[in-house]
Amino acid sequence: DVKVTQSSRYLVKRTGEKVFLECVQDMDHENMFWYRQDPGLGLRLIYFSYDVKMKEKGDIPEGYSVSREKKERFSLILESASTNQTSMYLCASRKVQGGGTFFGQGTRLTVV
Amino acid sequence: ILNVEQSPQSLHVQEGDSTNFTCSFPSSNFYALHWYRWETAKSPEALFVMTLNGDEKKKGRISATLNTKEGYSYLYIKGSQPEDSATYLCAFITNAGNMLTFGGGTRLMVKP
Repeated sequence: DVKVTQSSRYLVKRTGEKVFLECVQDMDHENMFWYRQDPGLGLRLIYFSYDVKMKEKGDIPEGYSVSREKKERFSLILESASTNQTSMYLCASRKVQGGGTFFGQGTRLTVV
Repeated sequence: ILNVEQSPQSLHVQEGDSTNFTCSFPSSNFYALHWYRWETAKSPEALFVMTLNGDEKKKGRISATLNTKEGYSYLYIKGSQPEDSATYLCAFITNAGNMLTFGGGTRLMVKP
């Protein structure tokens, strides 16, 4: 069974904390993505990576950074969490352009 | 930022009703359109990957059509069941990049 695993299902963090969301895939996919989902706004792309140590900004990168040191792992970092980053975060991976995209189970982050 | 729109935003139907909803996307630089089903507390699950104008795909009671010239896709559910309750997402890929751009989703609730 193919798998994309996110490290936490639920997280509660305080404003100003540094937050790490981890994602691991076991499919040897080159492409990995981080999205956030907010009511009425669908999934919005924060960052993506098409190879180790490569990263590209998505539509809403402000306040976030990412790290891809190994092919299977893609980390999303909130340098200083703010309440407007309270959201559902989804990680995804894909082999090649147009191939199937596989999603993690999501991390619901609440910043208080 | 590409504009992918889904309508309606939410839909309540009775068990046994047939229903459909729409995904609109830019008609230029089309590469593929994906449909996903996202149940609460689960990962989004791929339903269809559509690439050719005039494509029709079917999986059980769910089917989808694609018109790339006018930039829309319809998803149909015949004889809705409570287990069809989910958010249905469409996502557009251009021939210029690797990213999925998602619509806002249609939240379907089927009452028994």
